[in-house]
Amino acid sequence: NAGVTQTPKFRILKIGQSMTLQCTQDMNHNYMYWYRQDPGMGLKLIYYSVGAGITDKGEVPNGYNVSRSTTEDFPLRLELAAPSQTSVYFCASSYGGHQYFGPGTRLLVL
Amino acid sequence: QKEVEQNSGPLSVPEGAIASLNCTYSDRGSQSFFWYRQYSGKSPELIMSIYSNGDKEDGRFTAQLNKASQYVSLLIRDSQPSDSATYLCAVKAGGSYIPTFGRGTSLIVHP
Repeated sequence: NAGVTQTPKFRILKIGQSMTLQCTQDMNHNYMYWYRQDPGMGLKLIYYSVGAGITDKGEVPNGYNVSRSTTEDFPLRLELAAPSQTSVYFCASSYGGHQYFGPGTRLLVL
Repeated sequence: QKEVEQNSGPLSVPEGAIASLNCTYSDRGSQSFFWYRQYSGKSPELIMSIYSNGDKEDGRFTAQLNKASQYVSLLIRDSQPSDSATYLCAVKAGGSYIPTFGRGTSLIVHP
């Protein structure tokens, strides 16, 4: 089992560019999540999904979009990147309340 | 607003000592409690979960839960420099899909 995988590991974006952060899990978990983590801060929930075709907003959804067409994949789309979106992004899947995190994507918007 | 509070630290302990990490939560409907460890530059990983009042032990780690006081703690016995990390407390209400995370406590174990 690879668990939760994320690509890319690191990316630099210019203001106004768009990109998709990829997330895949091979544990057949229904629940998946996207978090961002800023230095010295906790995890902020961006979006979550309880199954294929079902997504919902978290605490900080503005500037982001998600889709969930399969159980395995949960991509996060950034439209019109802004410096405030500079952060580390973690994808997670969940079973029994226990969350399994991917290795993270470090994003820098300049 | 559900809140989970942790002292940000850093908590500094000598090698071999007991490290005590604390967490309080606001939602009385919380039923599941988790401790994650996050090394610098890495993702969080689960080290303990606890669901009922009392103590739960796993190796050098003990989680303690007191629902009446809305308090959960993590004890690390015989602390090692490799335990130096940020420890995140997470709390989940029954029937909820979404845990609430604290900001984490930084632990430094010095030789």
